[in-house]
Amino acid sequence: GQQVMQIPQYQHVQEGEDFTTYCNSSTTLSNIQWYKQRPGGHPVFLIQLVKSGEVKKQKRLTFQFGEAKKNSSLHITATQTTDVGTYFCAGPLGSARQLTFGSGTQLTVLP
Amino acid sequence: GAGVSQSPRYKVAKRGQDVALRCDPISGHVSLFWYQQALGQGPEFLTYFQNEAQLDKSGLPSDRFFAERPEGSVSTLKIQRTQQEDSAVYLCASSLARVPSNQPQHFGDGTRLSIL
Repeated sequence: GQQVMQIPQYQHVQEGEDFTTYCNSSTTLSNIQWYKQRPGGHPVFLIQLVKSGEVKKQKRLTFQFGEAKKNSSLHITATQTTDVGTYFCAGPLGSARQLTFGSGTQLTVLP
Repeated sequence: GAGVSQSPRYKVAKRGQDVALRCDPISGHVSLFWYQQALGQGPEFLTYFQNEAQLDKSGLPSDRFFAERPEGSVSTLKIQRTQQEDSAVYLCASSLARVPSNQPQHFGDGTRLSIL
């Protein structure tokens, strides 16, 4: 069935290293959203991408939406311990009102 | 309130008991969602309300699950005759938009349900 896939499932990095998570949808998305969930917390909205090929930056975070609007990536430059958490991509599949979430990438940053 | 409020934060119940989980969305938010999140997984959609109307309940896993939002604000998710596989975190999210698929969702802290 339709789904949103994310890789890797886990990533351990040394503080200061870069990190990237990738998201792929089985179908074209009207938009893609990224959320961060800290351990024990709830998902918090980071950003939304709408246009084909769109790139948005938030300080050390860079988000991309693929040309075919079926894939996306989140890149963090020079990770910090505050970046620890699980990063989820999510998008509406087909005409759905709700979001389908990827399984997330759990980031651990070693000091 | 400033954010989405859920209660209780933790609920322990014996198998076979009924439970009720409450969600108080951000004031004025039209759309309300319930998600189930298993350990190590992303949130999975259960049901969606636009004001008091339940427009989509396709994600509810069985007829033991029931949700309502009678006045278009507070919502309750009820699980009858709980089973161990119901153990999960139940997240509520709200959105200002009537077409919420292209708008951010604001999540509550969730209710962690444990069925013994």
